[in-house]
Amino acid sequence: NAGVTQTPKFRILKIGQSMTLQCTQDMNHNYMYWYRQDPGMGLKLIYYSVGAGITDKGEVPNGYNVSRSTTEDFPLRLELAAPSQTSVYFCASKFTGPNTEAFFGQGTRLTVV
Amino acid sequence: GENVEQHPSTLSVQEGDSAVIKCTYSDSASNYFPWYKQELGKGPQLIIDIRSNVGEKKDQRIAVTLNKTAKHFSLHITETQPEDSAVYFCAAGLGGGYQKVTFGIGTKLQVIP
Repeated sequence: NAGVTQTPKFRILKIGQSMTLQCTQDMNHNYMYWYRQDPGMGLKLIYYSVGAGITDKGEVPNGYNVSRSTTEDFPLRLELAAPSQTSVYFCASKFTGPNTEAFFGQGTRLTVV
Repeated sequence: GENVEQHPSTLSVQEGDSAVIKCTYSDSASNYFPWYKQELGKGPQLIIDIRSNVGEKKDQRIAVTLNKTAKHFSLHITETQPEDSAVYFCAAGLGGGYQKVTFGIGTKLQVIP
């Protein structure tokens, strides 16, 4: 049972480059989330999705885009990487319903230089 | 929006002692308060949660308390073990299907053998 899988685990980008962080889950969860975690800070919500074809902005969406064409996949796109996007990114998913747990991936550590 | 404050930011205890981490929140509408444990190099993992209709919840060596009037909640770990060493995050928010929560900045717990 793979759970939530994120790729890559590490990446170094140059300023202005673009990349896609991949997230896939095999638990048939409706809800999926992208967070970023900066040193000494809690997790900040970037985007979330309540189901295939539906996405919405979280607390810090600027500089990012997402899509949700399938239940399993929720990629996060950085179009013009900036040093401020250096962070650790976590994807999470959960079932519909109030008494269900959110499961997190292992994270992608991104450095923009 | 919701604002969650967490303290202390670091905590060292001797093995076998108890550890207490405290959080306060600002939005009286919040009704869901999860706690996550994050081990080095891994994503956060839910360890316990509490909802606003409950004042206390226990799970073996872990307990959470909630005071809705004062808007604060706490995590208590008894008989600490070296494997309890990790970063702990509290969160507060709405526990409906979408489960939108705001995270605290985290507490790095070190259990000294």
